[in-house]
Amino acid sequence: SQQGEEDPQALSIQEGENATMNCSYKTSINNLQWYRQNSGRGLVHLILIRSNEREKHSGRLRVTLDTSKKSSSLLITASRAADTASYFCATDSLPVNSGGSNYKLTFGKGTLLTVNP
Amino acid sequence: KAGVTQTPRYLIKTRGQQVTLSCSPISGHRSVSWYQQTPGQGLQFLFEYFSETQRNKGNFPGRFSGRQFSNSRSEMNVSTLELGDSALYLCASSLVHSGNTIYFGEGSWLTVV
Repeated sequence: SQQGEEDPQALSIQEGENATMNCSYKTSINNLQWYRQNSGRGLVHLILIRSNEREKHSGRLRVTLDTSKKSSSLLITASRAADTASYFCATDSLPVNSGGSNYKLTFGKGTLLTVNP
Repeated sequence: KAGVTQTPRYLIKTRGQQVTLSCSPISGHRSVSWYQQTPGQGLQFLFEYFSETQRNKGNFPGRFSGRQFSNSRSEMNVSTLELGDSALYLCASSLVHSGNTIYFGEGSWLTVV
């Protein structure tokens, strides 16, 4: 089952505009990560935010996390055509029977971002 | 530092056959996990290995199996292939503890005909 749900499913903007994608999840998490995937390629890690953090920046990326609402947002500022890709959030929660050293990521279905030149 | 390497990148198999996919993690990473990506189901967790032991398993039938070697390299095997097994299979590696970034390979595209 999907833990994260990205919103919107698809987003089309013009180069230079900002893009905001949202992610909601259902259970308590340890961390939340955002990934980018170009068509047919692997996942590229963008940013990790821990459950005790509220905001994080990396270059043109800004991620926020609201654990009370179980939601996160990814903001890409001054978008470029090269930002065209699918964006996924992934939550990391330890399985109940874990010994603290194993875990899995649960992904949402992603947001397809198209940046038009 | 080399990234996660997966082989082969593309393969076509016939229903009923079996397939083995290989993954070499980033040097120093001891946890390797596998994911299946399909248009309908999205990204789904298959299993995770650490120190040659399967630590966590997703909801996939027993036809899906894997293993990890002492050098942390991992293989996954799918037996008695079905058309629905056509997917992008992604391998990821990370340091052992939760909270570390998980890095993905480019994936292996499997088409079952």
